[in-house]
Amino acid sequence: AQRVTQPEKLLSVFKGAPVELKCNYSYSGSPELFWYVQYSRQRLQLLLRHISRESIKGFTADLNKGETSFHLKKPFAQEEDSAMYYCALHLYGGATNKLIFGTGTLLAVQP
Amino acid sequence: DTEVTQTPKHLVMGMTNKKSLKCEQHMGHRAMYWYKQKAKKPPELMFVYSYEKLSINESVPSRFSPECPNSSLLNLHLHALQPEDSALYLCASSQEREANTDTQYFGPGTRLTVL
Repeated sequence: AQRVTQPEKLLSVFKGAPVELKCNYSYSGSPELFWYVQYSRQRLQLLLRHISRESIKGFTADLNKGETSFHLKKPFAQEEDSAMYYCALHLYGGATNKLIFGTGTLLAVQP
Repeated sequence: DTEVTQTPKHLVMGMTNKKSLKCEQHMGHRAMYWYKQKAKKPPELMFVYSYEKLSINESVPSRFSPECPNSSLLNLHLHALQPEDSALYLCASSQEREANTDTQYFGPGTRLTVL
């Protein structure tokens, strides 16, 4: 079955420290993975997608098919990075077109 | 216009009321979605419309009735809801392109409280 696992409910780091938000997936096909972020009282918004191999707000994520992981990383955390982060797997094909979200990780960056 | 909009922002209704949630996008997207999000939980897919036709219903109770009048508009009609239906209801849209380029964009949500 398709599944996305984010093992940490809460990740607390100090400003300037490196950040790694873990995401593992279970999917037999070729995965399409996304990171979404939800800042307090704001809409859920796309942070990055693996196909673009881009860096947004200093965050990067590399798809590791061997470890079935798509961890989100940032070398130096900022206070404004505090938010809920969701990893999501996109299922597409036939009549299917949906995102399966992980349970989310709340990132708290302390001053 | 590059946003998904939703109205109302907040809605309080009784269990016997009938109400509707509205979602609108003018990005030319051909897929639209309804999600339910409980506090501190991820969004859960409810319905997907593709080219104005219902393509996915995730076994949602019939007290929730979606409608897609045109490619820009998506409604969710509510009737005889239960208190446990209280949640943030999110709308999203996407271009409905090939998998590796189809990205969903979310609205701000409607916070629903059922008394």
